[in-house]
Amino acid sequence: GESVGLHLPTLSVQEGDNSIINCAYSNSASDYFIWYKQESGKGPQFIIDIRSNMDKRQGQRVTVLLNKTVKHLSLQIAATQPGDSAVYFCAENGGQAGTALIFGKGTTLSVSS
Amino acid sequence: NAGVTQTPKFRILKIGQSMTLQCTQDMNHNYMYWYRQDPGMGLKLIYYSVGAGITDKGEVPNGYNVSRSTTEDFPLRLELAAPSQTSVYFCASSPPSGGIYEQYFGPGTRLTVT
Repeated sequence: GESVGLHLPTLSVQEGDNSIINCAYSNSASDYFIWYKQESGKGPQFIIDIRSNMDKRQGQRVTVLLNKTVKHLSLQIAATQPGDSAVYFCAENGGQAGTALIFGKGTTLSVSS
Repeated sequence: NAGVTQTPKFRILKIGQSMTLQCTQDMNHNYMYWYRQDPGMGLKLIYYSVGAGITDKGEVPNGYNVSRSTTEDFPLRLELAAPSQTSVYFCASSPPSGGIYEQYFGPGTRLTVT
């Protein structure tokens, strides 16, 4: 079935670098996308979301980019810190008739000092 | 607010045993969800509820049951535990204004079936 996937299962960066985590989605009906952060032993935590009528949205140190032409979503983290180490999931709603979020497999971000 | 709370945190079951995973939220959210997360994988929806008295199946409902008698509580029942149900279970809720969006997650229950 259709699902959200991520390009890389792991990403390692140095503290202070900018991180880019990518996600490809296949459900063209999806019009809402979310990035979640999951630290070890905890539940997913909302980071930022974006609707399909936007191509960019910024938060505190994070930016989400949406390219509907190629069905691509990315999360950019500026000045990555050790506390950013976690698994990052993208999720989509599967369209307005969707009843639940569809999650990708996740990318593990490791930040070294 | 405590947010979404889940009990127990950990549990080991023998094959064929039954148990109920508890989930409570104190944010007056209409929508509640149960997900399972297998190692290295994303979350898969088991059941969800759009309000008290209303439940519906998600992607992987087999072997589970739910009920929603109050807005606050959404227990997940495993009747005959199987090794394939070894997983981490997350409960989530979202407000009426958000619908299925911006879900708030509990800390999870780690279940092992042997």
